[in-house]
Amino acid sequence: GESVGLHLPTLSVQEGDNSIINCAYSNSASDYFIWYKQESGKGPQFIIDIRSNMDKRQGQRVTVLLNKTVKHLSLQIAATQPGDSAVYFCAELSGGGADGLTFGKGTHLIIQP
Amino acid sequence: GAVVSQHPSWVICKSGTSVKIECRSLDFQATTMFWYRQFPKQSLMLMATSNEGSKATYEQGVEKDKFLINHASLTLSTLTVTSAHPEDSSFYICSARDLSRSYEQYFGPGTRLTVT
Repeated sequence: GESVGLHLPTLSVQEGDNSIINCAYSNSASDYFIWYKQESGKGPQFIIDIRSNMDKRQGQRVTVLLNKTVKHLSLQIAATQPGDSAVYFCAELSGGGADGLTFGKGTHLIIQP
Repeated sequence: GAVVSQHPSWVICKSGTSVKIECRSLDFQATTMFWYRQFPKQSLMLMATSNEGSKATYEQGVEKDKFLINHASLTLSTLTVTSAHPEDSSFYICSARDLSRSYEQYFGPGTRLTVT
């Protein structure tokens, strides 16, 4: 199937700064997008999701932006903390949820003290 | 709520043997469960979709005779890696879809398989 890709494999930010993780997707039929956080040796942890009829959604310290025109998704994390260090994946879903998720390559976020 | 467990969390087996991994939804019913594989420093790749009471649907390139999936109830799916080889060593992760929320998928903690 079509893949969801990420622009940067590693992102290093200072503690307290904001971080932005980007993702490009290629399946124009995708109607649901999710960001996951994965710590070493653990399963993915849901962060935030967005449906294709929206262009922005906010959670606690996180914001997801969706630009369907250029098929771009981003995750913004405000005031990063050491606990935010992890690999972040975007994932897309099409077909009304009947199919499994297509994951992007992942970005390793490193928080510098 | 929406907790998914996997057992075992890690397993080491010898080449040629079979290993069974369980995926359970603890507090919700899951008509559909998904199995993913993740190699070190790589992303998750969907292996198969498991629907309760029916045969699993495998992704292209995944051998159904090697990765046997059984979804006998609304809370349990099993993945059996048959005749395991070192190249099957990976992190296997399941997810379960909540009946009441069409898009939500909840992930298990993963099972680390090492084949020696």
